Order: sequence, then structure tokens, then C-alpha cells
Amino acid sequence: GDSVTQMEGPVTLSEEAFLTINCTYTATGYPSLFWYVQYPGEGLQLLLKATKADDKGSNKGFEATYRKETTSFHLEKGSVQVSDSAVYFCALSDQGYSTLTFGKGTMLLVSP
Amino acid sequence: KAGVTQTPRYLIKTRGQQVTLSCSPISGHRSVSWYQQTPGQGLQFLFEYFSETQRNKGNFPGRFSGRQFSNSRSEMNVSTLELGDSALYLCASSLSVGSTLETQYFGPGTRLLVL
Repeated sequence: GDSVTQMEGPVTLSEEAFLTINCTYTATGYPSLFWYVQYPGEGLQLLLKATKADDKGSNKGFEATYRKETTSFHLEKGSVQVSDSAVYFCALSDQGYSTLTFGKGTMLLVSP
Repeated sequence: KAGVTQTPRYLIKTRGQQVTLSCSPISGHRSVSWYQQTPGQGLQFLFEYFSETQRNKGNFPGRFSGRQFSNSRSEMNVSTLELGDSALYLCASSLSVGSTLETQYFGPGTRLLVL
């Protein structure tokens, strides 16, 4: 079945540091890939998405490129802020369904 | 445009009781999905509805059920509550179903505590 693997957290960074959160996936078909973010006490917000190989999703300074050859969708940001502290989820939808399969989530903590 | 709304936001129940959670999708969205989030299992898909019909179902016992109304609003019900049902229940809406190109938009969730 489909699965998503994310790096374990928490990831602890200082403000303005470079961020990478690794995400790899296993899927049967040609999935769409997503990053969602969850702030404390809230639901999930869509951060970015990519629907085909080599697509780059971007939003609010975050980027991720759909790499079919390595089955990866790593999240990056050049300079993190304290307000980026949250839990980040990598997810996919596959086989004609919009249903999402999620990774376990990676907590990011950014200190001033 | 208003986002996905869920009511109630918080619930406390005791074992053996049943509970009903409600979700109103974004205006114009016809698909509603439900997910359960727990610290141990993470985010798990419960079921998806479109045009009042269940289109997809996750691997949960029959105690978990749902329905969708003609205005696309959805409810999920959990009967005979167990301690392990304590979780954040998230509702998501999308325009349609049947495509990996659809994006799901999530509500704030209902936090259920079973004592």
C-alpha cells in the first residue's frame, strides 16, 4: 500500500537558518504530493503541493520539488522564522482518490 | 470565503456513550472526508463522502459511521466509545472526488476526550 516516511523530529533551528525536512513516499500509481502545516491547537493548513514529476510547489518561502526518480518531496526554506514553529506533514493522494496518506509529521522549533 | 467549520470544538464523553460530530464544508465543495489524529497512530483516514454517498472508507471498526446531507454538510458518529477513541477528529472538504489533483482543505478539528 501507499506510505509516506518523514524524518523524525523535533528539528531545532535558530532564526534565519536553512531548513530541510526529508520526505519519501511509496505509491502504486502517479500520486500528487502535499505538505501541510499544523500550528498548536489548530487543524491542518495546506502549505504547498505538486501534481507531477519535476513540479515545484512553493508558498511563503517554502519549496518542495517532486522527484520521481528518488520518490522524494523534501521541504526547504532558506531562512526560517520563529513563526514557522509548527508540525509539518508530508502527504500523498493516489490511484484516483483524493484521500490523503500522511507521514508521521515533523515538529519544527525555531528559536530567536 | 468561509473555511471548513466543525462543531463542537471540544467534547468529553465516558466509555460506552456515543458521539456525533458535525462538519460544514467550504461553500461549493461537495466532498467531505474525515480523519482521526492521535499521538500514536498519527493521521488516519476514516471515510469520504460525495453527493450523500460514501465513496471511500478507511480501516476502522463499524462503530465509526458517517453521513452526508444534500447541502454537503456531514456528520460522523462513534458508538460505544472506547478510551482509544480519544483523538482530534479532522474534517476536510474538496470540490470533487476521484482525482489525485483535488486539494483537501481542513477544518480546526473536534477534540474528543473519552474518560
